[in-house]
Amino acid sequence: DQQVKQNSPSLSVQEGRISILNCDYTNSMFDYFLWYKKYPAEGPTFLISISSIKDKNEDGRFTVFLNKSAKHLSLHIVPSQPGDSAVYFCAARDNNNDMRFGAGTRLTVKP
Amino acid sequence: GAGVSQSPRYKVAKRGQDVALRCDPISGHVSLFWYQQALGQGPEFLTYFQNEAQLDKSGLPSDRFFAERPEGSVSTLKIQRTQQEDSAVYLCASSLDLAGGEETQYFGPGTRLLVL
Repeated sequence: DQQVKQNSPSLSVQEGRISILNCDYTNSMFDYFLWYKKYPAEGPTFLISISSIKDKNEDGRFTVFLNKSAKHLSLHIVPSQPGDSAVYFCAARDNNNDMRFGAGTRLTVKP
Repeated sequence: GAGVSQSPRYKVAKRGQDVALRCDPISGHVSLFWYQQALGQGPEFLTYFQNEAQLDKSGLPSDRFFAERPEGSVSTLKIQRTQQEDSAVYLCASSLDLAGGEETQYFGPGTRLLVL
């Protein structure tokens, strides 16, 4: 039962343009959402998060948008840089601290 | 240390062998989590501790998997009689406190287990 879905396994963008990574969830009990970035042979690194009481959170080049009615969130990276190339995981957590991850989207930013 | 550390980083085991994977969380972090990540998938929850108490082990795939955190800091994930389907990256994460708050889990680099 995939409660968190990232339907795009890969995304390729040009340096300087916007990257948009999408994530959908099914469990309405999720109240906190996170994005993690993962380089090869390393563990996931926390990037940005958003609480269910908000619809937008911004941190530098990274912005996460949450649409609760659609059970959808997205991560925007602008401008994209080659160093952003990695696998991005969307995660969602309920108030029992049960966290579920999507399968990841591999972002490639071309110089 | 500055982050979560795990050892060994890589482990090759023969089918039927027992393995033990270690996690050193960030100092002072109350909560500790174990995840299993299969190739091409996201991490899947195995079990979680608050201090030394194992509060949730619903994700452990079979009774061959056992985790402990006896003193509320270092944790060990043990897999008995390993099978080929146990091959995966095992990730450990820790967070400062539990429950419900806007608490971020910080991950270690993982242990890549290959069962032949």
